[in-house]
Amino acid sequence: DAGVTQSPTHLIKTRGQHVTLRCSPISGHKSVSWYQQVLGQGPQFIFQYYEKEERGRGNFPDRFSARQFPNYSSELNVNALLLGDSALYLCASSPEFRDHNEQFFGPGTRLTVL
Amino acid sequence: EDQVTQSPEALRLQEGESSSLNCSYTVSGLRGLFWYRQDPGKGPEFLFTLYSAGEEKEKERLKATLTKKESFLHITAPKPEDSATYLCAVLSSGGSYIPTFGRGTSLIVHP
Repeated sequence: DAGVTQSPTHLIKTRGQHVTLRCSPISGHKSVSWYQQVLGQGPQFIFQYYEKEERGRGNFPDRFSARQFPNYSSELNVNALLLGDSALYLCASSPEFRDHNEQFFGPGTRLTVL
Repeated sequence: EDQVTQSPEALRLQEGESSSLNCSYTVSGLRGLFWYRQDPGKGPEFLFTLYSAGEEKEKERLKATLTKKESFLHITAPKPEDSATYLCAVLSSGGSYIPTFGRGTSLIVHP
């Protein structure tokens, strides 16, 4: 059974540009969460979506947005990129939105902002 | 605000040399404490969930324990393949389900 998949694997952008990251959860999982992991630090929670509705939002500016589609896949959008947005962006899926103990992470998208 | 502090930041062991990693936390109420393993360039892999003080869980050479203020991840007779970054996260019993992660402990096991 396929795990969580993310695309693209790597991405290079310049300041001020916009980026869209994509995530496909494990089959049967209805909840998707997004995290930002800066080098040398732990993941920081950005959003959680369940049944296409936002169920949690971390302390990130409005430049960050996300959505979940009817097939439970998800997109993370970041506008007006800053150098500090360079990080590994992780997607995690779980069967229900409370199941953090059954949270499975994807391999991440490495975003570099120049 | 929930806080998680992991120590040491980095740990080098010889194969077979047992040790422990520490995760100290501050939450208004603990819903759960999670341990993950993260290999370079990959997403975290779930290891354990602990819910209440006194709880212990084991998996192969790893054993996680929990008190009211901290959790330990004990590694018995580690092997080089145990080399990874170990992350601790907490979920508080407040209204949100937003986990707070520590910065991790980078473990290197030399053969």
